[in-house]
Amino acid sequence: KAGVTQTPRYLIKTRGQQVTLSCSPISGHRSVSWYQQTPGQGLQFLFEYFSETQRNKGNFPGRFSGRQFSNSRSEMNVSTLELGDSALYLCASSLDRLKEAFFGQGTRLTVV
Amino acid sequence: KQEVTQIPAALSVPEGENLVLNCSFTDSAIYNLQWFRQDPGKGLTSLLLIQSSQREQTSGRLNASLDKSSGRSTLYIAASQPGDSATYLCAVRRDNYGQNFVFGPGTRLSVLP
Repeated sequence: KAGVTQTPRYLIKTRGQQVTLSCSPISGHRSVSWYQQTPGQGLQFLFEYFSETQRNKGNFPGRFSGRQFSNSRSEMNVSTLELGDSALYLCASSLDRLKEAFFGQGTRLTVV
Repeated sequence: KQEVTQIPAALSVPEGENLVLNCSFTDSAIYNLQWFRQDPGKGLTSLLLIQSSQREQTSGRLNASLDKSSGRSTLYIAASQPGDSATYLCAVRRDNYGQNFVFGPGTRLSVLP
């Protein structure tokens, strides 16, 4: 069975641009969450979606947003990119909000 | 605010050794705890999930224990192999708070052939 798929795997953007990352959860999983991983801050929670509704949001500025579609696929968007947004962005899915979470391979975003 | 720490930060052992990785959390009101491994530049692979009502979980050479009242979990790896080299992360999920993990900083494990 296919795992969590994140696209693209790598991305280079310029400061001030915006970017959209995509996450396709494991088939049947309805909960999707996003995390940012940096060497300095480790893994930090961005937001969680369940049944197309944002259920939780981490402590990130409003430039970070997301959505979930009816097929459970999710996208996150970062506007007005800053150098500090360079990170590995990880998506996780689970059957429901409290079940075991499975992560994708991540999208490596570099802002120059 | 929940804080998760992991000791040691790095560990290097010869192949075949049994080893223990430690995870501590400050708020015992957790719903469950999950252990992951991460290879360099890759995503996270789920190893074990322990519910707050459980004391331990086993999968192959891995055994994870949970002492919720003292805020501790350990991951025991038996007969370590070079392929076990990776960073091991523990993550706690708050009580009934959905898929919102608080992660520890990880333990970087090197198993030498």
